[in-house]
Amino acid sequence: GAVVSQHPSRVICKSGTSVKIECRSLDFQATTMFWYRQFPKQSLMLMATSNEGSKATYEQGVEKDKFLINHASLTLSTLTVTSAHPEDSSFYICSARGSPGRGGEETQYFGPGTRLLVL
Amino acid sequence: AQTVTQSQPEMSVQEAETVTLSCTYDTSESDYYLFWYKQPPSRQMILVIRQEAYKQQNATENRFSVNFQKAAKSFSLKISDSQLGDAAMYFCAPLQGGSEKLVFGKGMKLTVNP
Repeated sequence: GAVVSQHPSRVICKSGTSVKIECRSLDFQATTMFWYRQFPKQSLMLMATSNEGSKATYEQGVEKDKFLINHASLTLSTLTVTSAHPEDSSFYICSARGSPGRGGEETQYFGPGTRLLVL
Repeated sequence: AQTVTQSQPEMSVQEAETVTLSCTYDTSESDYYLFWYKQPPSRQMILVIRQEAYKQQNATENRFSVNFQKAAKSFSLKISDSQLGDAAMYFCAPLQGGSEKLVFGKGMKLTVNP
């Protein structure tokens, strides 16, 4: 139990285009989903927190108009990188919490990540 | 802001031996949760173990156990009988007090030598 998927796993796009990344909790309903960014050899940086049916809460310094988050259901959240530029190239990871499994509701379970390369 | 310190950026251990990864944190809360996650080369973040601060008993999951010292705000991870598959980045992550947010340490790279 507590499986989180992400799609796509890897995407290459041209500068100026938009890219959508999906995050799904496959076997539980996620009350909250999180989006992180990870630079090479660094820790995870929280970008935003989203709850189903409400607007995402963005961390300081994260442009909400550039990183659009939609949490349409208890099992799906999407991150859209709008007008992507090379500096947006990174590894994006989502997580979900709310599992009734062994981890408890406070535990975050992570997706496998999406590697974005903007040319 | 809550801080998390993983003082050793890298460690190595021989296969089948035991290794302890250190973590200290800062919080003003009395009830909270702490987590260890591992990130192997695949970059998938995997939950290793979780501890509830109100529980005095240290959490254990098979070969993984913690030494939780609440007063010292220390949360170390012990890996027994190390296996090659344990090689990964390990992140200590307390749950920020009164929040849903995890606060990640900088991570520690563990190498397991055959």
